[in-house]
Amino acid sequence: QVQLVQSGAEVKKPGASVKVSCKASGYTFTGYYMHWVRQSPGQGLEWMGWINPNSGVTDSAQSFQGRVSMTRDTSVSTANMELSGLRSDDTAVYYCARGSAVPTVTKAAFDIWGQGTMVTVSS
Amino acid sequence: DIVLTQSPGTLSLSPGERATLSCRASQSVSSSYLAWYQQKPGQAPRLLIYGASSRATGIPDRFSGSGSGTDFTLTISRLEPEDFAVYYCQQYGSSPRTFGQGTKVEVK
Repeated sequence: QVQLVQSGAEVKKPGASVKVSCKASGYTFTGYYMHWVRQSPGQGLEWMGWINPNSGVTDSAQSFQGRVSMTRDTSVSTANMELSGLRSDDTAVYYCARGSAVPTVTKAAFDIWGQGTMVTVSS
Repeated sequence: DIVLTQSPGTLSLSPGERATLSCRASQSVSSSYLAWYQQKPGQAPRLLIYGASSRATGIPDRFSGSGSGTDFTLTISRLEPEDFAVYYCQQYGSSPRTFGQGTKVEVK
């Protein structure tokens, strides 16, 4: 079945970096954009950015530009999100989610989500 | 950025009742690229509605979406026990993709 499986929980110190991975299965990994969304404890959803797994092109929300790096490894159908310069307010659950088909002129909602990865930033 | 404002913040209803959730955008959402998600505690969001009114695969027909431009509505015709959750709207027509702050549907 179509699914996204994310890496496990992380605990990091302020200023460090964290890398979260998202392994896709059940569909053609390079055929769909992959988005990253985070959710701070008890809060709403915040879109971080996307990667085109076919080309490697990325786009990110302005609030994360310069701190977020999104990459992919097509040989293992995995998308990665690395966030640097961690602060306590980066403590959140990070999700990957499948978006539009590649290429497309019709945009799509996020139909498949990973289970989430809890990242805790604490000294 | 398109700001999405959801109302009410909390909806207290009983099973079997009708739920009406609102999502208002700060500017027109292009091509009705508006989605609704359901999230239960400890779970990832689940896509319910896309394109403002199309149900995602496997979503029961008690869930319906409507609206266009800047005003959108999610209706749950008769609440089932498993429908008590938080609901988010999202616009995916322009970057950055943005979410509303959520509406919690709780048991009265």
